[in-house]
Amino acid sequence: EDQVTQSPEALRLQEGESSSLNCSYTVSGLRGLFWYRQDPGKGPEFLFTLYSAGEEKEKERLKATLTKKESFLHITAPKPEDSATYLCAVQASGGYQKVTFGTGTKLQVIP
Amino acid sequence: DTGVSQNPRHKITKRGQNVTFRCDPISEHNRLYWYRQTLGQGPEFLTYFQNEAQLEKSRLLSDRFSAERPKGSFSTLEIQRTEQGDSAMYLCASSLATVETQYFGPGTRLLVL
Repeated sequence: EDQVTQSPEALRLQEGESSSLNCSYTVSGLRGLFWYRQDPGKGPEFLFTLYSAGEEKEKERLKATLTKKESFLHITAPKPEDSATYLCAVQASGGYQKVTFGTGTKLQVIP
Repeated sequence: DTGVSQNPRHKITKRGQNVTFRCDPISEHNRLYWYRQTLGQGPEFLTYFQNEAQLEKSRLLSDRFSAERPKGSFSTLEIQRTEQGDSAMYLCASSLATVETQYFGPGTRLLVL
């Protein structure tokens, strides 16, 4: 069965203090790995899709990378508005549309 | 360009009552998904439609749950004889058939008393 483990569960950073969030996954053939941001009481907001090992994508202060077993979300010089829960998810190959999510990393950026 | 919309945003009901939620996907998206999310957890897949056909159902979707997408546009999720354990955020997402990325709505928060 597909599994996604995210670490740390919670992360507190000072404004400007760069860090990385980890997503370890087990899947029988990866079709896609997704990163979402979720604010309290709202639906997940799409950030990135990665398809193969070695792929990288960037958006503002965020950069996502992918290996065969892990993905990292690097946050450079974070701002308080980056505070949110970051969710990682995987979709297996083989025709199924189910996406399996991790439990997320709750990020707090302090001014 | 409007995103995925869900109604109602909040629902409080008593145990044993039936509830129905509606999801309107992004207009050109032919795939629609339902998820459930409890506090501190990631979303859990419930079911998936391509156009009007329901093609995947999770084991989480007990026989008290039913979902429809009658004309391949909006979808409804009904929970019959609600239980306190059904309290959660119910999320809808949609995508194009050619792209894996799913876009989520704001969710419907259900509280069963």
